[in-house]
Amino acid sequence: QKEVEQDPGPLSVPEGAIVSLNCTYSNSAFQYFMWYRQYSRKGPELLMYTYSSGNKEDGRFTAQVDKSSKYISLFIRDSQPSDSATYLCAMVSGNTPLVFGKGTRLSVIA
Amino acid sequence: DAGITQSPRHKVTETGTPVTLRCHQTENHRYMYWYRQDPGHGLRLIHYSYGVKDTDKGEVSDGYSVSRSKTEDFLLTLESATSSQTSVYFCAISESRPMNTEAFFGQGTRLTVV
Repeated sequence: QKEVEQDPGPLSVPEGAIVSLNCTYSNSAFQYFMWYRQYSRKGPELLMYTYSSGNKEDGRFTAQVDKSSKYISLFIRDSQPSDSATYLCAMVSGNTPLVFGKGTRLSVIA
Repeated sequence: DAGITQSPRHKVTETGTPVTLRCHQTENHRYMYWYRQDPGHGLRLIHYSYGVKDTDKGEVSDGYSVSRSKTEDFLLTLESATSSQTSVYFCAISESRPMNTEAFFGQGTRLTVV
């Protein structure tokens, strides 16, 4: 079993929809949880990160971490065509480099 | 944009030939990483560096070597390229380990081994 599991999609939603992206993980040592966004033929860029459990909100984006269930989510409200990208979850424990999920490809249709 | 430059951006090479990819940064970040990205596998760590001449292996290091003789440059070498190494390669940098502050990625190098 891979350390981080993420449904690759693709996911297609209409403009304005609420999008839910999710990852599960197996390593209970993970402490930092991140979401990266990657546009086609570009490098990933950090969208949000959360330390330990809880929620974090940034504009239309909300990241949630449930360490008891080993489950993280990213919610996008009022989705826009410009949100069309691949979203990668990533996580890290104290002394290891980032471990990424496979990424979920999202298309927001106008 | 963070100052990361990968070169070349695209390369086609023949099986069995050596290939070197270069990552150059202007941020003076201590940590540098090489990832490969493949459909169905996501981003996988090849090697990383935590200082000049200090490197360590990642998840998929077989067939790859790295060198870092200066803070700003991190080279990835495929000693004898194989078709399984056809991929998009990303360099990343971070100020602290283990990337729990923002990590910056380059634009990627698309390598095709024929």
